[in-house]
Amino acid sequence: GAGVSQSPSNKVTEKGKDVELRCDPISGHTALYWYRQSLGQGLEFLIYFQGNSAPDKSGLPSDRFSAERTGGSVSTLTIQRTQQEDSAVYLCASSGGSTKGYTFGSGTRLTVV
Amino acid sequence: ILNVEQSPQSLHVQEGDSTNFTCSFPSSNFYALHWYRWETAKSPEALFVMTLNGDEKKKGRISATLNTKEGYSYLYIKGSQPEDSATYLCAPIKDDKIIFGKGTRLHILP
Repeated sequence: GAGVSQSPSNKVTEKGKDVELRCDPISGHTALYWYRQSLGQGLEFLIYFQGNSAPDKSGLPSDRFSAERTGGSVSTLTIQRTQQEDSAVYLCASSGGSTKGYTFGSGTRLTVV
Repeated sequence: ILNVEQSPQSLHVQEGDSTNFTCSFPSSNFYALHWYRWETAKSPEALFVMTLNGDEKKKGRISATLNTKEGYSYLYIKGSQPEDSATYLCAPIKDDKIIFGKGTRLHILP
């Protein structure tokens, strides 16, 4: 597609439920990042996919968080047993290379009640 | 861990004035540096990608310089306008991984 697409744009979930957030990057982009922005905070790195390499999961805050990228394209971020502190805007970004800018999706606003 | 420092954290500038702010990063193994503008309720938008020492990039009233030997980049805004109000993020690349600074939050005062 023309840009990075994220769905849903908004998600309200009950504490303890699992959620899945989807990112559809720009076609052909090999690099894909997940970030989150909690209220009043900057960008917090979560996970990084680059081509067929093993993902860099060093930013995932707990084992309740996982992500996969199927076929080198669409990525899904899963949060199990959601907690209120998981409430944030989750942003996905993709790029065709380090010397090119990253294109961000419009994000998923997750609210855990 | 790549230590990225942006200063100041927050800045108030009168409309029409020019301003600048700084990004500092470790100079070793430098690969590239990105600048992004992040407006409230929107996604970060790429401004510049810089790779060479001494690089200077310009986009309208906004420009940026890069010193890879001493590990810093400046972003300049000439004749600030209300639409310049945003958070400006600096993001160096190391080991093919982008690391975002916490940003400089710019407020333009009418």
